[in-house]
Amino acid sequence: QSALTQPASVSGSPGQSITISCTGTSSDVGNYDLVSWYRQHPGRAPQLILYEVTERPSGVSHRLSGSKSGNTASLTISGLQAEDEADYYCCSFVGSGVVFGGGTKLTVL
Amino acid sequence: QLQLQESGSGLVKPSQTLSLTCTVSNGSISSRGYAWSWIRQPPGKGLEWVGYIFHSGSIYYNPSLKSRLTISADRSKNHFSLQLSSVTAADTAVYYCARAADGDFFDSWGQGTLVTVSS
Repeated sequence: QSALTQPASVSGSPGQSITISCTGTSSDVGNYDLVSWYRQHPGRAPQLILYEVTERPSGVSHRLSGSKSGNTASLTISGLQAEDEADYYCCSFVGSGVVFGGGTKLTVL
Repeated sequence: QLQLQESGSGLVKPSQTLSLTCTVSNGSISSRGYAWSWIRQPPGKGLEWVGYIFHSGSIYYNPSLKSRLTISADRSKNHFSLQLSSVTAADTAVYYCARAADGDFFDSWGQGTLVTVSS
C-alpha cells in the first residue's frame, strides 16, 4: 500500500479558507468512506479532527470540514486562526489496515 | 478519559529487536469495536501505520514490516506490545500507540516514545 498524496505545504492569512487535498486510489480513498484527518503540533501526538470523511469528534471546531470525490478527499479550514498552524495528515482504511498521507504543513501568514 | 502510555527501550542496536509496550488506563483492550495500534514517525517525517490487534485477537500488519513484526496483547495486564526484529537506522522513530475505532480512525493516542537504532 502506497502513501496517500498530500501537498507538502499550504498557507493562508488569518480569516481566509484553505483546502488540503488527499489523493489515493480506487483501493483506498475511492473504495471506502473511511477517511480521517489528524492535526499535529510540533512535539505533540497527532489529534483526530475528522473521521469517516465528514464527521467531527466532540470538541473540534465547526470551522473544519471534510469532503470526498472519487479518489480524493479534502480538508477545508475556514476562518484561519494562528492556532491552526500545524501539520495535517489524512488516513484511509484499506481493508486490512490503513494508510496515511505524507502530511501537509499549514502556515498561517 | 482513556489513557495510553508507551514504554520500552529508547536505544536499540542494529540487527537487534525493538520491544515496546503500551499500557491502557481508564479503558479495556477487551472492549469490542476497537483495534489497539502502533504508528511510527521518523524524525522530521510523516506518520506510518505499523499494525494493530483487535479485541477479537485478529492482527493486521503493514505489509512492508510484516516479516519482522509481532504485535500481541496481554488482557490480564491490559496492555499490548510491539516487537520489531532485525532493526536498522531506518527504524529510528517516535513510536505511538493508539486506539482505532473499528480499525478505521485513531481516536486516542499515547504521547509517543523515541526509539533510536544505533550502535
